[in-house]
Amino acid sequence: AQKVTQAQTEISVVEKEDVTLDCVYETRDTTYYLFWYKQPPSGELVFLIRRNSFDEQNEISGRYSWNFQESTSSFNFTITASQVVDSAVYFCALSEAFISGGYNKLIFGAGTRLAVHP
Amino acid sequence: NAGVTQTPKFRILKIGQSMTLQCTQDMNHNYMYWYRQDPGMGLKLIYYSVGAGITDKGEVPNGYNVSRSTTEDFPLRLELAAPSQTSVYFCASRSGLVYGYTFGSGTRLTVV
Repeated sequence: AQKVTQAQTEISVVEKEDVTLDCVYETRDTTYYLFWYKQPPSGELVFLIRRNSFDEQNEISGRYSWNFQESTSSFNFTITASQVVDSAVYFCALSEAFISGGYNKLIFGAGTRLAVHP
Repeated sequence: NAGVTQTPKFRILKIGQSMTLQCTQDMNHNYMYWYRQDPGMGLKLIYYSVGAGITDKGEVPNGYNVSRSTTEDFPLRLELAAPSQTSVYFCASRSGLVYGYTFGSGTRLTVV
């Protein structure tokens, strides 16, 4: 069954620190997609990044980077040089490609609340 | 394109009342989803639909009903509101692509 675990409930950092958010997932599918979403205090869900299971490279996009390790079923997300505007709840999510037969669903972790202080 | 539109944005219900949360998308997406987010928690799937006339239960369907008579609309019905249904409700849609999810801005519901 699909499962996403975000063990860090809350993280507090000082501005300009780097911060890594952890995500561990479970799936029986061989092809799947992993996502990170941001939920600022205003409440909407903001899509950040997506990675599929067969990409070979980890990537960087601006101050965001992510580290996918299939051997440990982890998909960690790093914010470099954090800013106060990064304060939000961050969700990791998983979507299987084949096992669900097209009826796939996006399953979320419980979220990590990040507080960036000046 | 408007994307996924949810109405209302806020609502207060009394215990036992009924209401329908509206969700409309204009992207011709076949797949639509309803999630709820309890305070301080992640999103849990209530119901989903893979096309007009086809719906199925998610993780937490009790107390809700859905219908999908058109591709565009996927309303969520609460028949007898209970305090446990106080939550923020998100509607989402997806194209045929496995990863193409679009979320609405949410409906904050309080049952008192």
